[in-house]
Parts: sequence; C-alpha cells; structure tokens
Amino acid sequence: EVQLLESGGGLVLPGGSLRLSCAASGFSFSSHAMGWVRQAPGRGLEWVSVVYGDGITTYYANSAKGRFTISRDNSINTLYLQIHGLRADDTAVYFCARQHASGSSALLYDYWGQGTLITVSS
Amino acid sequence: DIQMTQSPSTLSEFVGDRVTITCRASQSISSWLAWYQQKPGKAPKLLIYKASTLEGGVPSRFSGSGSGTEFTLTISSLQPDDSATYYCQQYDSSSTFGGGTKVEIK
Repeated sequence: EVQLLESGGGLVLPGGSLRLSCAASGFSFSSHAMGWVRQAPGRGLEWVSVVYGDGITTYYANSAKGRFTISRDNSINTLYLQIHGLRADDTAVYFCARQHASGSSALLYDYWGQGTLITVSS
Repeated sequence: DIQMTQSPSTLSEFVGDRVTITCRASQSISSWLAWYQQKPGKAPKLLIYKASTLEGGVPSRFSGSGSGTEFTLTISSLQPDDSATYYCQQYDSSSTFGGGTKVEIK
C-alpha cells in the first residue's frame, strides 16, 4: 500500500525557516518523481515544486523560486522541502504527492499525503 | 503562466442529476489536463487524467472531455458521496490548478 506521511509543519515567525519531510512507503520511491502542492486555508490548490527520481532535476513554481528548495534521499525514501524567509502568505497545508504510475508526466499525481500545516505568524 | 478558469464556482443539484463543470485554459494545453476531487480536511483524489482517462477505481459516472483550451468534467448521475470540491489541473507547461468548483447536494 502506497503511503505518504508529511511532517515538519508548525507555527513559524515571519522570516523564519522550516524543513518539511515526506516519508514514503509501499512503492519504488526512486522510480517516481515527487512533488509538493500547497493549499492556503479556505483556498485552492497551488503546485509548488517537483523533483525527479534522480534527485537532480527540479522545477519550481514562480512563487517558490529563490526561497524553496526541494530535495530527496532515495536511501531512506524521504522527500524534503526547505523554505526560507517565510511570509504570511506561505501559510498553508503542504501536501507531498507521487508521480502518476503511468509516468507520463512528473506533474501528474496519483497518491497524496494528508498534508502538514505551516502557519506563519508573529 | 497558464491560467485555469473553472465554472461555476459552486453548484447545487439533486441526487441523480447530471452535473457538468467547465475548465478553460488561457492557452492550449493539448490534453494535459487532470481532474481531482477534494473533501474537507482530506487530500485531493485523482479522478481523470489526460483529459478523458478515468483513473483506476473511480466510478464510471465520472467522465472528462475536451482538448486545447476547453474541458469538462461530467458526473452522469450525482450521488451523495460526490459532495466535494473539484479542481482541474493543467500539467502541460509547469502546473496550475483551477479555482475549484464546490458541488453540493440539494
């Protein structure tokens, strides 16, 4: 059974940093690209970033360029998202998601975690 | 960036009704479009990808159509469990989601 479990969210002061983790199990982790999608409270979904299975190729939404860094450790089946300079508008639930089994696109996701909430507030 | 516009933003129909949600892209995305269902407090669930391919395990009352810039998600016979918010997602150039359509049962 595919499982994705995010952790690392919490209350952070503006300007602070945080690293989110997503522990994966139940599939060949290194064979799938992995992405992050966020959702501000009461708002829609926003794609953030993706890292390919090789851990080298990465892409970011324009809103995430410069402050967000996606990475993965295939030896322990874990995905990360490092965020610096947190702002109030980064407040959201952050979901990790697995590339669709068809492999047709790194931006299409078939399994999602339950999300971890980041609240940026003083 | 490609913008995705969904309509309507909310709808309310009876059980058994046919429901159609529209998603328009600001430029052609071929068939690189997916539909997700999200219930409150839960992760999104993939329903349809490549505009019209039904994800495994998804009831056949869900269907998708369209290409280029205009797409539709149809629920042929609305069921109580379909009460949720539905999002389209383009994955042709980077990725963007539509604003969502909240489906309520009368």
